[in-house]
Amino acid sequence: GQQLNQSPQSMFIQEGEDVSMNCTSSSIFNTWLWYKQEPGEGPVLLIALYKAGELTSNGRLTAQFGITRKDSFLNISASIPSDVGIYFCAGLTTSGTYKYIFGTGTRLKVLA
Amino acid sequence: EPEVTQTPSHQVTQMGQEVILRCVPISNHLYFYWYRQILGQKVEFLVSFYNNEISEKSEIFDDQFSVERPDGSNFTLKIRSTKLEDSAMYFCASSVSTEAFFGQGTRLTVV
Repeated sequence: GQQLNQSPQSMFIQEGEDVSMNCTSSSIFNTWLWYKQEPGEGPVLLIALYKAGELTSNGRLTAQFGITRKDSFLNISASIPSDVGIYFCAGLTTSGTYKYIFGTGTRLKVLA
Repeated sequence: EPEVTQTPSHQVTQMGQEVILRCVPISNHLYFYWYRQILGQKVEFLVSFYNNEISEKSEIFDDQFSVERPDGSNFTLKIRSTKLEDSAMYFCASSVSTEAFFGQGTRLTVV
């Protein structure tokens, strides 16, 4: 089946540092989404990407849709303590039906 | 801001019992989903629902699972005879097209 692998699995950073994480797939997706999940809560949509090569920002977050359509990365600049959480990429399949395949997640911890 | 709401937030049930998890999707959305997340693991697709029928389901979504949209607002997931391994967070999501919004989840504990 389709799999999305995220790296790194986890990261500990100092407040103020920039963060970069990525997501790779064995399959092509036409839409990539990035979600953040905090403990005990549902995933919250951060950024959606619709075109290969697209670079999109949302505040301190920047995400890119890879040219091959098999990868995406997410950058967080100047991290703050509330950035703590698990970041998931998700690829949207639209071959007949809509289905979101989630990545394995990157757990981010920010040290003040 | 519109949001997906799920009830209950936590349900404890005996093995073999039936449970119904409830969701109210965002009102103008057309596509509805159920996902589950076993503690510490990734978010797994269960089923998608569009135009009053199942669009796609995963291998996890076997005969013990069913979904229903009984009226214009609710979307339910039923597990007929719960097993210990059904213990997980269950998330409902809805979308107009490409951007899915998730609820806060129902934590199901089967004992």
